[in-house]
Amino acid sequence: GESVGLHLPTLSVQEGDNSIINCAYSNSASDYFIWYKQESGKGPQFIIDIRSNMDKRQGQRVTVLLNKTVKHLSLQIAATQPGDSAVYFCAERTGGYQKVTFGIGTKLQVIP
Amino acid sequence: DVKVTQSSRYLVKRTGEKVFLECVQDMDHENMFWYRQDPGLGLRLIYFSYDVKMKEKGDIPEGYSVSREKKERFSLILESASTNQTSMYLCASSPSGQSEAFFGQGTRLTVV
Repeated sequence: GESVGLHLPTLSVQEGDNSIINCAYSNSASDYFIWYKQESGKGPQFIIDIRSNMDKRQGQRVTVLLNKTVKHLSLQIAATQPGDSAVYFCAERTGGYQKVTFGIGTKLQVIP
Repeated sequence: DVKVTQSSRYLVKRTGEKVFLECVQDMDHENMFWYRQDPGLGLRLIYFSYDVKMKEKGDIPEGYSVSREKKERFSLILESASTNQTSMYLCASSPSGQSEAFFGQGTRLTVV
């Protein structure tokens, strides 16, 4: 999961296993929660989002779960592949001017 | 495909210099953002803009200003560069009402 500090949390997963990346958010007024993937040397890339009135959303090989009671968000990646190795960021969007703020990120390492 | 282009990939500037980072998007997006990315701190929002000539402070605006004279262009200005502004700067844009943001490739700024 994510935590405040200078060290990037790292998750190591065997190829073919499922990955779960966790995130705690702070703003109850956020209307969307978003996951981004950042590969080395590139800008972040959108993966999936979930609206605040939902608790689950599925995409291709990914599922996002939202627990508003404990302000927790998770990204599940099924059958993790080497190409999934990257840093994953959760982000929250606050309505009105649509300000988007990011967490510190989790590094996913896929072991072949 | 949406394209967000940052004018420089790498920049080296001296302390006290005025620095301009330029960002252009080609998809007529209303929202544009400037973030800085530092190891272990994730992406931190400096400024964002939801319309031409409109700007809002993000979480760390001190030492920075922005300009949005045209819809497609969002400039980040370091009035007097300091060594603690050495960082990776990321520009992003998004259409109004959507949570997905599109990022540029980043500008690695070193202030010496």
